[in-house]
Amino acid sequence: EAQVTQNPRYLITVTGKKLTVTCSQNMNHEYMSWYRQDPGLGLRQIYYSMNVEVTDKGDVPEGYKVSRKEKRNFPLILESPSPNQTSLYFCASSVTYTGELFFGEGSRLTVL
Amino acid sequence: KNEVEQSPQNLTAQEGEFITINCSYSVGISALHWLQQHPGGGIVSLFMLSSGKKKHGRLIATINIQEKHSSLHITASHPRDSAVYICARNTGNQFYFGTGTSLTVIP
Repeated sequence: EAQVTQNPRYLITVTGKKLTVTCSQNMNHEYMSWYRQDPGLGLRQIYYSMNVEVTDKGDVPEGYKVSRKEKRNFPLILESPSPNQTSLYFCASSVTYTGELFFGEGSRLTVL
Repeated sequence: KNEVEQSPQNLTAQEGEFITINCSYSVGISALHWLQQHPGGGIVSLFMLSSGKKKHGRLIATINIQEKHSSLHITASHPRDSAVYICARNTGNQFYFGTGTSLTVIP
């Protein structure tokens, strides 16, 4: 089954404790991206990757890092999480940057 | 910077009604996407448009590139259509989203 898998789905952590949210797709998609969704602000793009070893900042990259060492994986790293990073996070992939987006199920992160 | 505007923000309809959700943007696009998000959070892509019109079942999406405007229509609405509908513009390599239209269809 074609899918985008995110883990963990739910996480409560404390300020400053590094964490990684994993994202994996099995569709051989070139384009992968991360978004956060906040009430009243909607979805905003954090980072995106056009292909392996090619990543770039989206609209709200501050406080986040990403890497793309393999085509299928695109982890989101919060080196020192802060409460303003409490949000619902989505990973998505598509064949190319102009293609239909396939979303993961979302990861709800709470930073205390 | 975002400049993707959706209207209305909230919409309540009776089952069977014809529904229209509008999306406008102010810069050039590679494509315009319509997404659906059900309670519980999962997001599904409904349409991707760069011109003209697309239809899938009871859903129709149109786009007018010159006017920078797109509409999503739902014919013969049903309670299972209750969801948040999100418009997104794809410009270059990036995506920018509207804040969504929350639709409730009452039986």
